[in-house]
Amino acid sequence: DAGVIQSPRHEVTEMGQEVTLRCKPISGHNSLFWYRQTMMRGLELLIYFNNNVPIDDSGMPEDRFSAKMPNASFSTLKIQPSEPRDSAVYFCASSDPSGWITEAFFGQGTRLTVV
Amino acid sequence: AQSVTQLDSHVSVSEGTPVLLRCNYSSSYSPSLFWYVQHPNKGLQLLLKYTSAATLVKGINGFEAEFKKSETSFHLTKPSAHMSDAAEYFCVVSLSDSGYALNFGKGTSLLVTP
Repeated sequence: DAGVIQSPRHEVTEMGQEVTLRCKPISGHNSLFWYRQTMMRGLELLIYFNNNVPIDDSGMPEDRFSAKMPNASFSTLKIQPSEPRDSAVYFCASSDPSGWITEAFFGQGTRLTVV
Repeated sequence: AQSVTQLDSHVSVSEGTPVLLRCNYSSSYSPSLFWYVQHPNKGLQLLLKYTSAATLVKGINGFEAEFKKSETSFHLTKPSAHMSDAAEYFCVVSLSDSGYALNFGKGTSLLVTP
């Protein structure tokens, strides 16, 4: 398996623009997580899905952020409109919670810069 | 609520000397604990995980961690540091009441000097 695949790897956009980050989880994993990493706040869990259903989105900073998982092999995180404070590295991770110890496997991340 | 505290934000060691990265956890029951490593501009890689089958857990690249319930600790160690070990290390607890999402510590930056 190629692991968790995120695209794009880098995104630079202007304030006010819509940004869409994409993630393909590992095949067979039915839990998917979106994290954000910044120097100030470290790694924060934004939202997670189980069997394509959003379970907890309490970490989503505000209504400008939305996430979808239309099928088991694809998820998006959208920011509309984007703001400079959204600049961060966004990681997607997937896991198979049917096992006893459920480590998550991370993608390479998307580095977002909002100018 | 389950959480972890990494006691040092930065650790500096000389190449060939031992590494100790400290982590304490808070959990109302037996936690699932992990150490992840992040090299500069890279993603997160699992170093090791605590399965409760053994208190001493061996991971990749010569790292190991010992689960001590009496001290609520899960410190990461390596007998001899290598230059390639320089990275950010995260102690992590699994939130079993949140779909097994991972709750990350603040991270410890390991610097290895020649």
